[in-house]
Amino acid sequence: DQQVKQNSPSLSVQEGRISILNCDYTNSMFDYFLWYKKYPAEGPTFLISISSIKDKNEDGRFTVFLNKSAKHLSLHIVPSQPGDSAVYFCAATPMGSFKTIFGAGTRLFVKA
Amino acid sequence: EAGVAQSPRYKIIEKRQSVAFWCNPISGHATLYWYQQILGQGPKLLIQFQNNGVVDDSQLPKDRFSAERLKGVDSTLKIQPAKLEDSAVYLCASSLGVPGGPHSYNEQFFGPGTRLTVL
Repeated sequence: DQQVKQNSPSLSVQEGRISILNCDYTNSMFDYFLWYKKYPAEGPTFLISISSIKDKNEDGRFTVFLNKSAKHLSLHIVPSQPGDSAVYFCAATPMGSFKTIFGAGTRLFVKA
Repeated sequence: EAGVAQSPRYKIIEKRQSVAFWCNPISGHATLYWYQQILGQGPKLLIQFQNNGVVDDSQLPKDRFSAERLKGVDSTLKIQPAKLEDSAVYLCASSLGVPGGPHSYNEQFFGPGTRLTVL
């Protein structure tokens, strides 16, 4: 039962353009959402998060949008840089819990 | 600030053998997690500790996997006996994770992982 779904296994973008990574979830009890970035042979690192009381959170080149009615969130990277090439995991936490459910990840390639 | 440490980084064993992984979380982090990440999938939670107590081990195959967190700090994860399908990267993470604390306390810091190959 995949509660957090990232339906695009990979995405290729030209340097300087926008990267949009999508994530869907099924559990309405999720109230906190996170994006993690993973380079090969390293553990995931926290990138950005959003609480369910917001619909947007921005940190530099990274913006996360949350659409609760559609149970959908997206990560925008503008402008994309070659160093952004990595696997991006969407994750969600149910209210009152520290348990985190991860999606399968999307591999982003940013071409120079 | 030192990150989450894990050892070994790589391990190759034959099926039916046993193996143990070690994790040292970030100092002061109350919550420790062990994840299994199979190639092409996201991390799957195996067990979650709050200090030295188990919060969630619902997805831990208890017939072969065991974990402990000594004195609420370091943790070990053991597999005995290993099966071919246990081949994966085992990730340890920690967070401030104080119950009732802000959601930001749930942001997890991961170690580099241990890549296990079972032949």
